[in-house]
Parts: sequence; structure tokens; C-alpha cells
Amino acid sequence: KQEVTQIPAALSVPEGENLVLNCSFTDSAIYNLQWFRQDPGKGLTSLLLIQSSQREQTSGRLNASLDKSSGRSTLYIAASQPGDSATYLCAVRMESGGSYIPTFGRGTSLIVHP
Amino acid sequence: EPEVTQTPSHQVTQMGQEVILRCVPISNHLYFYWYRQILGQKVEFLVSFYNNEISEKSEIFDDQFSVERPDGSNFTLKIRSTKLEDSAMYFCASTRLAGRTGELFFGEGSRLTVL
Repeated sequence: KQEVTQIPAALSVPEGENLVLNCSFTDSAIYNLQWFRQDPGKGLTSLLLIQSSQREQTSGRLNASLDKSSGRSTLYIAASQPGDSATYLCAVRMESGGSYIPTFGRGTSLIVHP
Repeated sequence: EPEVTQTPSHQVTQMGQEVILRCVPISNHLYFYWYRQILGQKVEFLVSFYNNEISEKSEIFDDQFSVERPDGSNFTLKIRSTKLEDSAMYFCASTRLAGRTGELFFGEGSRLTVL
């Protein structure tokens, strides 16, 4: 059974810092990995989707990398802003077993203070 | 930009009552999902739906839950007899592409409070 772990669970940084959020998974036979942002009491907003054949995806100040063999993905946030404060979730889809269902980590709660 | 919409945003109900949560997925999407998130906990899969039938469901999705796509646009989750532990945020999601390649898009959620 796939287990997804996100470290750290919480992070508080001053504005302007570059950040790295980590996501690790136990079964490397994944099909893709998706990063989401969740604001308090709100839904999940898709940030980046990386297919297993890709090594990274970029969108604005966000860069997500994938090392499938080691079971890790990182989300890099450049020049963090207070508006980046949210919980960041990763979700992994398996390659085998016929299941298309993503497994979520518990998330990293990020606070960027001015 | 197309989005997944959910209603109601918040519903309060008495234990034992039936609730129906509604979702309108993005129009050209093929796969539909319900997830839930109990306060402070992780997002948990409930059920997936494709081609007018359930394609997969979790252990959480027991006989008191059902899903329906009654009219080609709405996708509903019914909880027949609510329990206190059903209190959670319920999210609908959809994806356009079949199988594993598609990017998941989530709605804003329906908060269910069972008293």
C-alpha cells in the first residue's frame, strides 16, 4: 500500500525566503504526482502535475521535481510571499494495480510572515 | 476558467438524517470523485465514478453512501443516515483524461456538520 509522507509538517519563514517542501512515497511505481495548495476551509487548487517520465515542472515561482527511483518529490517556492501561506499537499497515482486513485500526504502547513 | 462547483457550502444536520451533496464537474471531464477531509486530517478517497458507474470505492464508502449522476451534469453524494463521525469537508473532483494521466480539479467543498 502506498504511503505518502510530507516533511516538514509545518514551516514558518520570513518573506523573501526560498523554500523547499518535501514529499516522499514508499512505492516508486507511480504514474504521476500532483502538488496542491489548500487555503484554510477551502478546496484544493492544483499547482503542478508531474508525469513519471518527467523530472520537473515549473509554474511561475514554483518548481516541482520528481525522483521516482528514490521515491521523492520536492516543491521549490522562490522568493516566498505572505500570500503563499497555505497548506501544500502532494498526491501520488500508482502505476499498477488498475487503480487511478491518488494517495495524499498530510501536507505541509506554510506561514510566510512579512 | 472552468471549475468544479459544489453545493451547499455548509450543511448542518441532525444525526440519522439523510443529506445530499451536489457537484457540477467541469463539462468535458470524464472521471468524477468524492473525497472527504475530517478537520485536521488528511484528504481521504471515498469513491470514483466513470461511465455512469462506480469504478472504485474505499472502505469508508459503505452502504450508507451512494453516488449518482442523474442528469449528465450533476454528480451527487448521498449519505442515508448521518452519524456524528460523518462531520467533515466533502470534496468533489474531476479529471478530463481517462486513467492516470489527468490532472485532478477540486471544488471548494461542502462542510457537513452532524449534530
